[in-house]
Amino acid sequence: GENVEQHPSTLSVQEGDSAVIKCTYSDSASNYFPWYKQELGKGPQLIIDIRSNVGEKKDQRIAVTLNKTAKHFSLHITETQPEDSAVYFCAASSNTGNQFYFGTGTSLTVIP
Amino acid sequence: NAGVTQTPKFQVLKTGQSMTLQCAQDMNHEYMSWYRQDPGMGLRLIHYSVGAGITDQGEVPNGYNVSRSTTEDFPLRLLSAAPSQTSVYFCASSYSSDNVLTFGAGSRLTVL
Repeated sequence: GENVEQHPSTLSVQEGDSAVIKCTYSDSASNYFPWYKQELGKGPQLIIDIRSNVGEKKDQRIAVTLNKTAKHFSLHITETQPEDSAVYFCAASSNTGNQFYFGTGTSLTVIP
Repeated sequence: NAGVTQTPKFQVLKTGQSMTLQCAQDMNHEYMSWYRQDPGMGLRLIHYSVGAGITDQGEVPNGYNVSRSTTEDFPLRLLSAAPSQTSVYFCASSYSSDNVLTFGAGSRLTVL
């Protein structure tokens, strides 16, 4: 099955700086790569996703890049704000595997 | 449109007791799934369903049963609770296994 690894497990940045979280996957059949944000006491919420036919996607301060050859994808948050503090999860899935595979999460702290 | 609704939000059980975590969605999603979230281990798939009448095992299915008699509901049953099942449980649904996954708010279960 798929194996998704996520780094770093914790990340602290100063407000206004950028944050980057990286994930690798193992199954070349994976074609959908979402990122979720989980605030304390809540369920994960999708913040951005990318499919394998696209190399980069951006939504305001958030961007995701995908390198299919190297099997890795990254989340980039620019101009970080205190409300960006949360746990972020990457995931990979395919339309044939019927499962989403999640990374172990990154706890991001934005220091005011 | 309520999204994914989980009940109860909190539950305390004694070892050996049984209970059912309820999950309902009103988005006409075919794909539904249950995850458990433990510190440092991310989200691990317990069981999933690709449609009414169809269920399958995920990564950590032992000790749990599921059924899918309707498109809307996907209950998770603990037959004989064990302390190792103390966790936060999330139900999630999607149109398909390579589409946006919507999570419920979670159910925190403690087994004494």
